[in-house]
Amino acid sequence: QPVLTQSSSASASLGSSVKLTCTLSSGHSSYIIAWHQQQPGKAPRYLMKLEGSGSYNKGSGVPDRFSGSSSGADRYLTISNLQSEDEADYYCETWDSNTRVFGGGTKLTVL
Amino acid sequence: EVQLVESGGGLVKPGGSLRLSCAASGFTFSSYSMNWVRQAPGKGLEWVSSISSSSSYIYYADSVKGRFTISRDNAKNSLYLQMNSLRAEDTAVYYCARDGTGDIDYWGQGTLVTVSS
Repeated sequence: QPVLTQSSSASASLGSSVKLTCTLSSGHSSYIIAWHQQQPGKAPRYLMKLEGSGSYNKGSGVPDRFSGSSSGADRYLTISNLQSEDEADYYCETWDSNTRVFGGGTKLTVL
Repeated sequence: EVQLVESGGGLVKPGGSLRLSCAASGFTFSSYSMNWVRQAPGKGLEWVSSISSSSSYIYYADSVKGRFTISRDNAKNSLYLQMNSLRAEDTAVYYCARDGTGDIDYWGQGTLVTVSS
């Protein structure tokens, strides 16, 4: 089954941009993933589905500041014009025929 | 508006049982696969189980296989998780989540299960 690897933490300044990475394990580089945001004390929220081609589809109400891209086995989430409410944990997710996998999550701090 | 509302969480002793429910609204429940995902305190997300729209396909994480049973009632727009032989490591917030086109596209607010003596 696929494995997703994320950095444990990231930080960026208010108003700047940040690019978070999710890396698919060997043999699974073509997999589609999804990005989810979890603000402190809240349930996760779906952000987008991201394909290996870099094409992405965002969930309802997700701001334009959030975008996705891909390169090989890497899937990226870019957040532009960072706001204080973007401080959260970000998880990537993928799925196979009979299982679903989450990355360990990246804790984003907005300075 | 899609809504998923979990209930049934609480404090239970090791070895005990609990049944979680998820009430769905705002979409055609019978057309979607559904999932349970959990999050232990201070930890990341862990997929628990999935069930297809007509209950034909059911899958479990190895950590709960043989102890948990997922089910659904499409007439009642409800998803369930029967949890038996509970262990301390099952302590977590349990989320009900809709399967969109492969990915999870909606989450419930979660219900806390605490396994402790």
